[in-house]
Amino acid sequence: DAKTTQPPSMDCAEGRAANLPCNHSTISGNEYVYWYRQIHSQGPQYIIHGLKNNETNEMASLIITEDRKSSTLILPHATLRDTAVYYCIVRVRNYGGSQGNLIFGKGTKLSVKP
Amino acid sequence: DAGITQSPRHKVTETGTPVTLRCHQTENHRYMYWYRQDPGHGLRLIHYSYGVKDTDKGEVSDGYSVSRSKTEDFLLTLESATSSQTSVYFCATRPSFEVTGMQGEQFFGPGTRLTVL
Repeated sequence: DAKTTQPPSMDCAEGRAANLPCNHSTISGNEYVYWYRQIHSQGPQYIIHGLKNNETNEMASLIITEDRKSSTLILPHATLRDTAVYYCIVRVRNYGGSQGNLIFGKGTKLSVKP
Repeated sequence: DAGITQSPRHKVTETGTPVTLRCHQTENHRYMYWYRQDPGHGLRLIHYSYGVKDTDKGEVSDGYSVSRSKTEDFLLTLESATSSQTSVYFCATRPSFEVTGMQGEQFFGPGTRLTVL
């Protein structure tokens, strides 16, 4: 699986958009970009994933650059409850066995401040 | 959230004693995983299962064994606990892509905090 690079920490004001970057310059054509988050002391939670098109769901938007070497997770209106560690992970699409495993880096610690 | 429970949620034990952690799911997901999380390391995969009685090693499997005798339960055993195994352990499940058409999101349990003295 491709490696990802994320800033170790970011701050965001409550109610503003939080934009979390991720670099994955060695991503392969069959690898998806996944985002998970982990709120303090809880298990990680899936947020969103994408291949090459921008994606949006009820939690967030994912913007992937045209060359697919980087992406940005956008939380449009951050709340205090969004304070968490956010993990960007790339993984192949077709999986059975070990191809389905997630490799977590250290992520970005997002602090949403009042 | 998928119905994933872990037991016990907290455990303190002594070096050299055997410990078994249980992960139970009610979603009939095919794949199950055990991770450990330590400061400075993030989550690391210990073992995983891709079906009943089908398991394989992850990144940090030394000192751990697993068993899966039925779909809903995945057991993690520390045969002889050591202080280096003090950690928070997370179980996760994943449905089959073929069954649900999902892209394989993993669902995590609440974690078990294990302290080995």
